[in-house]
Amino acid sequence: QSVLTQPPSASGTPGQRVTISCSGSSSNIGSNTVNWYQQLPGTAPKLLIYSNNQRPSGVPDRFSGSKSGTSASLAISGLQSEDEADYYCAAWDDSLNGPGVVFGGGTKLTVL
Amino acid sequence: QVQLVESGGGLVKPGGSLRLSCAASGFTFSDYYMSWIRQAPGKGLEWVSYISSSGSTIYYADSVKGRFTISRDNAKNSLYLQMNSLRAEDTAVYYCARDQSIVAFDIWGQGTMVTVSS
Repeated sequence: QSVLTQPPSASGTPGQRVTISCSGSSSNIGSNTVNWYQQLPGTAPKLLIYSNNQRPSGVPDRFSGSKSGTSASLAISGLQSEDEADYYCAAWDDSLNGPGVVFGGGTKLTVL
Repeated sequence: QVQLVESGGGLVKPGGSLRLSCAASGFTFSDYYMSWIRQAPGKGLEWVSYISSSGSTIYYADSVKGRFTISRDNAKNSLYLQMNSLRAEDTAVYYCARDQSIVAFDIWGQGTMVTVSS
């Protein structure tokens, strides 16, 4: 059971817009920034979005992030076949039990 | 170029120990916080441990607290993870990652596989 909740799967056709949600709590998303990672099959994860909505250089502007309260979303517009991957959200958690990094369980995106 | 290269993975029996290393190059290692993150076969990402740039601040996931120890040698541009009392559930690919800013892991190694099995 992951601390951040993501849908296990999402899908879309080429050219469509797809969104992936990430739900947390006041100790993580509610008080810290959210980052998103893309993991292509057999490869290490790649930073896709940081600080809620910032794109590292080289990441296409088809990818965008947003945050509201204790939830965040990743949007992918103009869906392409190469976007088929696993997507993870992550945030710092200020838990009294011990602070640390929390990840979502991941969303497998299928391009139909 | 900027890169991280992990080593030290392998097959170990339950209760055994293993030390992972992560060699950094292409950037000023001592400027960055670093983390170990693992991924069990077919599963999602799980954060393991976090160390500040100087090594003075360290955090662990509850699942490894008391068994794993993170450390770094800035003179050698290296990050380490000492893993003791290993369990089957520690079987995973272990990645080291550079933290650009507050959990923004911008550089990842290729990963090293740890298998705990009798």
